Amino acid sequence: LAKTTQPISMDSYEGQEVNITCSHNNIATNDYITWYQQFPSQGPRFIIQGYKTKVTNEVASLFIPADRKSSTLSLPRVSLSDTAVYYCLVVLNSGNTPLVFGKGTRLSVIA
Amino acid sequence: GAGVSQSPSNKVTEKGKDVELRCDPISGHTALYWYRQSLGQGLEFLIYFQGNSAPDKSGLPSDRFSAERTGGSVSTLTIQRTQQEDSAVYLCASSRTGPSHEQYFGPGTRLTVT
Repeated sequence: LAKTTQPISMDSYEGQEVNITCSHNNIATNDYITWYQQFPSQGPRFIIQGYKTKVTNEVASLFIPADRKSSTLSLPRVSLSDTAVYYCLVVLNSGNTPLVFGKGTRLSVIA
Repeated sequence: GAGVSQSPSNKVTEKGKDVELRCDPISGHTALYWYRQSLGQGLEFLIYFQGNSAPDKSGLPSDRFSAERTGGSVSTLTIQRTQQEDSAVYLCASSRTGPSHEQYFGPGTRLTVT
């Protein structure tokens, strides 16, 4: 499984756009890039998933360059409630497989 | 609809005792996963069920850990002769059959071994 590297922590003010970059140099052809969010005392929650270029949903955008060796999760206009740990995962596209979580990026949003 | 539920939410036990943790997945989800999260750490995979069978038990840390799933639904994770290093939050997740990577997590069981 491809290893991912992301910053340990980030701080942001409310209303700003936050971009969290993840590197996954050894990503394989059949791997997808997936992001989860975890609030304190809760289980992780799926945010977004993509294979290449750009994916957008109501929560975030995911940018993936052509070489797919990195990806950027973009959170528009963050609020205090976006304070959480964000995990970048590389998932093999072969159906149900266990997820491999790193330590994630702890995002702190400041008023 | 109802999400993944886990019980108990908190469990304090003495070293050496056995504990059972329960997970009720989302109805219709055939895949079920157990993870463990120690304080300030990421999640550690323990075991994965597809239906009632467990094709991947590679994450179980020792033979004191076992899990079963019956009727393709409820799963129980059992830890025998608990040790202090077993203290963690135990998370269960479920997902639909097929190429879906979206796993739905329960709130977890916080286990404290004294």
